[in-house]
Amino acid sequence: SYELTQPLSVSVALGQTARITCGGTNIGSKNVHWYQQKPGQAPVLVIYRDSNRPSAIPERFSGSNSGNTATLTISRAQAGDEADYYCHVWDSSAVFGGGTKLTVL
Amino acid sequence: QVQLVQSGAEVKKPGASVKISCEASGYTFTSFAMHWVRQAPGQRLEWMGWINAGNGDTKYSQKFQGRVTLTRDTSASTAYMELSSLTSEDTAVYYCASSYLRAWFDPWGQGTLVTVSS
Repeated sequence: SYELTQPLSVSVALGQTARITCGGTNIGSKNVHWYQQKPGQAPVLVIYRDSNRPSAIPERFSGSNSGNTATLTISRAQAGDEADYYCHVWDSSAVFGGGTKLTVL
Repeated sequence: QVQLVQSGAEVKKPGASVKISCEASGYTFTSFAMHWVRQAPGQRLEWMGWINAGNGDTKYSQKFQGRVTLTRDTSASTAYMELSSLTSEDTAVYYCASSYLRAWFDPWGQGTLVTVSS
């Protein structure tokens, strides 16, 4: 079955750029979606189809996908961006990455 | 606005079944699929299956095949997930989420905590 690999944690200084990766075999051939989940809350879509932002999501959030790695980039990181982030693709079923905890220092 | 509201927390004994509801509002219920995703404590999101709210077709994850049943009531814009033969490993928060069949999940319900304990 298809597997997605994310780093357990990423730290970023306030106002700097955070990059969260999602690795998978030839993931560049798939559509990748990203969700933000804050403690005790449901996931929220932040990027769909690799690089598209829902209207309610700030422009600071962007995505890319090529080869074996998809990347979620958060520019000018804020304290409110602290959360778990999950990548998601479709194979024979929906597959999620293990999640990355983003800490803003 | 588009919203999914789930039923409340449940406590079940091992071997029992649980049925969770997910009421949709703010969009045409039958135009989309409803997916069910669960998250055990400290674990990743895990997809369980989907139901096409228009025609009732279902697809289940192999892991849950035979133990999960997805249904919907179009008159009430509500989807249901029933999970049987519960064990402690089924203790988790269960989410419904709307999407086109094989696309992104948006929005999500608020989650329903199911605790399985003797």
